Amino acid sequence: KNEVEQSPQNLTAQEGEFITINCSYSVGISALHWLQQHPGGGIVSLFMLSSGKKKHGRLIATINIQEKHSSLHITASHPRDSAVYICAVHPYLRDDKIIFGKGTRLHILP
Amino acid sequence: KAGVTQTPRYLIKTRGQQVTLSCSPISGHRSVSWYQQTPGQGLQFLFEYFSETQRNKGNFPGRFSGRQFSNSRSEMNVSTLELGDSALYLCASSLASPSNEQFFGPGTRLTVL
Repeated sequence: KNEVEQSPQNLTAQEGEFITINCSYSVGISALHWLQQHPGGGIVSLFMLSSGKKKHGRLIATINIQEKHSSLHITASHPRDSAVYICAVHPYLRDDKIIFGKGTRLHILP
Repeated sequence: KAGVTQTPRYLIKTRGQQVTLSCSPISGHRSVSWYQQTPGQGLQFLFEYFSETQRNKGNFPGRFSGRQFSNSRSEMNVSTLELGDSALYLCASSLASPSNEQFFGPGTRLTVL
């Protein structure tokens, strides 16, 4: 079992829909990142969370430390949101080596 | 402020050769991390450097090595290349630690034939 699990693996939705991507992890962490990767490889850091909730434009990220779970929400989705979204965690132990989820491939249809 | 740059962007090598990849972090950033991305394994941590010292290393063989210079620029080297080393190699910089916000470079796509 992977230490960082994302769901769903793939998601296709219509433009305007509300999107939720989930990340569950099994280790104690000091921080969690949400990353966005567009075709071609470039990665952008969307959020870094250690507690609570953050919002940036149409993107919202939440984390529940007790339940070891985080969600990334996209409101009013748009075709330009089509990308792979990756969750990554920094464990408290194991020398702070970052662990990545396998990613969620999102495709927004116009 | 200029972003993270990586050179070269694309590279084709043959088995047994060695390769050196370069990463220039954002000005003022002292932590540089390297990652390997493959379709099968996804993103995996290679190593992290801070002030010219390797602070952390992932589970990769000794063929993978790196260094950081006094200006925070970093290089990684892979010796005796294998077909399985074909991947996108990404570096990311942050002010002091990978648990801070990281800024990623565009990556170097290495193909081993």
